[in-house]
Parts: sequence; C-alpha cells; structure tokens
Amino acid sequence: AQSVTQPDIHITVSEGASLELRCNYSYGATPYLFWYVQSPGQGLQLLLKYFSGDTLVQGIKGFEAEFKRSQSSFNLRKPSVHWSDAAEYFCAVGPGTDSWGKLQFGAGTQVVVTP
Amino acid sequence: NAGVTQTPKFQVLKTGQSMTLQCAQDMNHNSMYWYRQDPGMGLRLIYYSASEGTTDKGEVPNGYNVSRLNKREFSLRLESAAPSQTSVYFCASSRDRGSYVQYFGPGTRLTVT
Repeated sequence: AQSVTQPDIHITVSEGASLELRCNYSYGATPYLFWYVQSPGQGLQLLLKYFSGDTLVQGIKGFEAEFKRSQSSFNLRKPSVHWSDAAEYFCAVGPGTDSWGKLQFGAGTQVVVTP
Repeated sequence: NAGVTQTPKFQVLKTGQSMTLQCAQDMNHNSMYWYRQDPGMGLRLIYYSASEGTTDKGEVPNGYNVSRLNKREFSLRLESAAPSQTSVYFCASSRDRGSYVQYFGPGTRLTVT
C-alpha cells in the first residue's frame, strides 16, 4: 500500500539553528514529491516540488529538499530558521495508483521556533 | 486575484443539521478538491472534480456531497452533520488533472455538537 510518513510529529528549534524535517514514502514508482507549509489559521502553501532531474530542489523562503531514491526519502532543510518559520509542514506525494492528479499527505510536523 | 476563497470561515452545527461549504477560485483552474484536516492525520481527500461537470469520490466521501456549480465554484454539502465531521475543511484547485500543484483556500473550521 502507498504511504507517506513524517516520523516527527513535533520539532522545537532555536532561531538561527538549522532545521531538517523528514519524509519517507512507499510507492511503486518514483513519485512526484511536495512540501507544503501551513501557518497558523492559514491554508497550505507550496514550498517546493520534485518531479524529476536534479535531486536537490530549492524552494521559497530559503528551504530546500533532497530526493534520495535509495532511502525513499524527501527531507526538507533550512540552514537558519527564522521565527516566522513556526508552522506545520506537510510532505505530499503523487500520483496514486490510478495515476490521477491526487496527492497523498503525511500527518504533518509541527515546528516551534524558540528565541 | 484572490486565489481560492472559502466561506464561511467558522461554523458550529448541531447533530443532524445540514450546511453547504462554498469554494471559489479565480485562477481559471480546471480541477478542484475538498479535503478535511484532522489532528495527526494530515489532509484526506473527500471529493474532487477533475473538470467542470465531473465529480468523483476521494478517500473519505461518506456523509458528504459535492456540486461543481461551474468552472469557478465547487461546494461541499453535509446533509446530516455528525460529531465525527468536526474538522477543518480545505478547498484546493489545480490547473488540470495532470498538474499536481494545488492551491489551497484558508479553510473552514466546522464544529458539530
């Protein structure tokens, strides 16, 4: 069965420190991969996506992610966290087995930034 | 350009009441989606519409109905609300069914008592 796992439910990080959020997937073929961010009370905003090509993907707000096929992972990183990065982060994958444009989301990782 | 808008932002219903959540997008997108978000479960797809005039069930369709009113609007109806439908509901749209980049509305927080 297809699945998306974000192992960390909650992460606390100091402002200025680096951040890495983990995402593992289980799919039959190489999926399309996404990271979305949800600020408090807001909808989801796309940070970055991977379809093919260079496995290191740059996104908005200084985030990057690396696709590692051998580990079935797509981890999100930021070298220096700002207080405004406090939010919930979702990894998503597509397509599904019916090869349609549906996304499957992980459960999310809540990021708290301390001064 | 407002993107994806949803109304209402908040709603409290009693068990058995009905209501319709409204969603509209101004990006000329063909595909639209309804998700629910519950703690620890991420977003789960309720229904989607690949194009105007078509709708299909997602992962958790029971207790819901949808209408793709036109290209811009996609509504979600709860005919007889249950406490298990307490959730945050998000509408999203994408250019077409082949585009996996989805744009989300701000959400509707629904409580069923």
